[in-house]
Amino acid sequence: GQNIDQPTEMTATEGAIVQINCTYQTSGFNGLFWYQQHAGEAPTFLSYNVLDGLEEKGRFSSFLSRSKGYSYLLLKELQMKDSASYLCAPGRGNKLTFGTGTQLKVEL
Amino acid sequence: DTGVSQDPRHKITKRGQNVTFRCDPISEHNRLYWYRQTLGQGPEFLTYFQNEAQLEKSRLLSDRFSAERPKGSFSTLEIQRTEQGDSAMYLCASSLEIARAGANVLTFGAGSRLTVL
Repeated sequence: GQNIDQPTEMTATEGAIVQINCTYQTSGFNGLFWYQQHAGEAPTFLSYNVLDGLEEKGRFSSFLSRSKGYSYLLLKELQMKDSASYLCAPGRGNKLTFGTGTQLKVEL
Repeated sequence: DTGVSQDPRHKITKRGQNVTFRCDPISEHNRLYWYRQTLGQGPEFLTYFQNEAQLEKSRLLSDRFSAERPKGSFSTLEIQRTEQGDSAMYLCASSLEIARAGANVLTFGAGSRLTVL
């Protein structure tokens, strides 16, 4: 299996910062993607990392350590609309393999 | 460009019937993927095409499932003799092959939800 591990659920407060971690097997890996999925909707692309380090994109940042098989997604200035599932997806070959996702609930 | 389109959005069928889903990818995308997603799980890879060639199929895909992309544009996914365990959201995604490794960003359609009674 792909052994992609993410927390199942997280809760955070509006305006706060939250970090969603992901660990995965590194064999045959060629990039790490993060997707957001609202209930009943399709996953939408957030960010990806090919090289180690931090990629920043507005309120969202993603970090990758290839040697450790570790990534995180950082969401800043949380808004209620950020309540969704966040899917970690290592790329292997020409396809993405998705984790089960982290259900984030943003509260007032 | 209207993105990735899937049809039908919802399908309810009786066990044993055949169903077919259609996907129209983003027009300039040469890769097309089918995924399946059940409640509380992430999307599970089924198969993918580069142009009209089916390059990979998941070992989880039984012989009741068949996918085609005859002209390298739209694709169909057929499930024969449906079973209750086939109930899921079937997601189609497309991407544009880029030489740089790791830049294969998938754009998903809204999905076709199948309920097998």
